[in-house]
Amino acid sequence: QSVLTQPPSVSGAPGQRVTISCTGSSSDIGAGYDVHWYQQLPGTAPKLLIYGDTNRPSGVPDRFSGSKSGTSASLAITGLQAEDEADYYCQSYDSSLGGHVLFGGGTKLTVI
Amino acid sequence: QLQLQESGSGLVKPSETLSLTCAVSGDSISSGGYSWSWIRQPPGKGLEWIGYIYLSGSTYYNPSLKSRVTISVDRSKNHFSLNLNSVTAADTAVYYCARSLVVTPAVNNWFDPWGQGTLVTVSS
Repeated sequence: QSVLTQPPSVSGAPGQRVTISCTGSSSDIGAGYDVHWYQQLPGTAPKLLIYGDTNRPSGVPDRFSGSKSGTSASLAITGLQAEDEADYYCQSYDSSLGGHVLFGGGTKLTVI
Repeated sequence: QLQLQESGSGLVKPSETLSLTCAVSGDSISSGGYSWSWIRQPPGKGLEWIGYIYLSGSTYYNPSLKSRVTISVDRSKNHFSLNLNSVTAADTAVYYCARSLVVTPAVNNWFDPWGQGTLVTVSS
């Protein structure tokens, strides 16, 4: 089963900008399917951060933004804060094998 | 505000059936326009989609689990359920339920909100 590839970890200092990539293929992101992003704080359930490639749900700070191009998507976090330290997951859809929802492997963000 | 709460057995023996329920509060599961999902996360690992169900009863499952999974809805109890049979240690995970707004195309659904999750351990 195909996967969406994310870097295992990224880090940044408070106030900095970090990006997390999510690389797919021609049967998922490259086929035009939307990408969504989730934030999972330690010991908690994932929380929707970005939907439909670029949209923020109500209550999510505009420090978080999403983009997509070709077979990849990215999550950018500006003005990094200590409370942003969490795991981040991308999600899309894969049309292979009859079609199924696909998650990235997750990226651990450390605020140093 | 919609809330989801998973419940069920926290310990299941190998080869037996894992059964979980997701109670929906703050809205009726029959209100329409949504699908209802199960997602799991093995300890220390990433997320894996299990499947979802529409009110029509239509179900969609992860191909890797399809032969062992059944998701159902009970409108009268305002909850939906997961059965996973022939479990092994590899099925040990935190199991989450979640709701998706049905969009067009439906394959672009996202998950929001999520339940808090429940740990299921497969062990004899």
